[in-house]
Amino acid sequence: GDSVTQMEGPVTLSEEAFLTINCTYTATGYPSLFWYVQYPGEGLQLLLKATKADDKGSNKGFEATYRKETTSFHLEKGSVQVSDSAVYFCALSVYTGANSKLTFGKGITLSVRP
Amino acid sequence: DAGITQSPRHKVTETGTPVTLRCHQTENHRYMYWYRQDPGHGLRLIHYSYGVKDTDKGEVSDGYSVSRSKTEDFLLTLESATSSQTSVYFCAISEPSPSYEQYFGPGTRLTVT
Repeated sequence: GDSVTQMEGPVTLSEEAFLTINCTYTATGYPSLFWYVQYPGEGLQLLLKATKADDKGSNKGFEATYRKETTSFHLEKGSVQVSDSAVYFCALSVYTGANSKLTFGKGITLSVRP
Repeated sequence: DAGITQSPRHKVTETGTPVTLRCHQTENHRYMYWYRQDPGHGLRLIHYSYGVKDTDKGEVSDGYSVSRSKTEDFLLTLESATSSQTSVYFCAISEPSPSYEQYFGPGTRLTVT
């Protein structure tokens, strides 16, 4: 079946540090890939997505590139801010019509200290 | 932000009582989902709906039932709540498209004592 593996957390960084959060996947078909972010006490928000190999999704300074050869979709940001403190989820979907579903990784908590 | 509301936002109930959570959307999206979020498990799909009166089970459906009589409303019922169902419950919506992103509601925190 489909699965998503995220690096173990939590991650603590100082403000303006470089961020990488690893995500790898296995999928039976050709997936679309997503990063979601969850701020404390809120629901999940779509951060970025990529729908085909070599696509780069970007939003709010975050980037992730769809790497089919390494089955990866690592999230990066050049300079994190305290406001980026949140839980980050990698996810995939393989579109199969009515039974299409998102498969999530377990999430990783990022804390950014001033 | 997608127009998704969940009610109630917080609920405390006793073991053995029935509980119904409501998800309401104003986006007219065809697909709706219920997830639960627990530490160490991420998000797990409980049930989903791909149209009015069309529902199916997810990976953790035992002890839960759903109903969807209108496009905009998706109800999750715990027939007899147990302490293991203490969790945060999220509703999500989507359209059938190849990119297939889902949009999430704010969540309901349910505590079963």
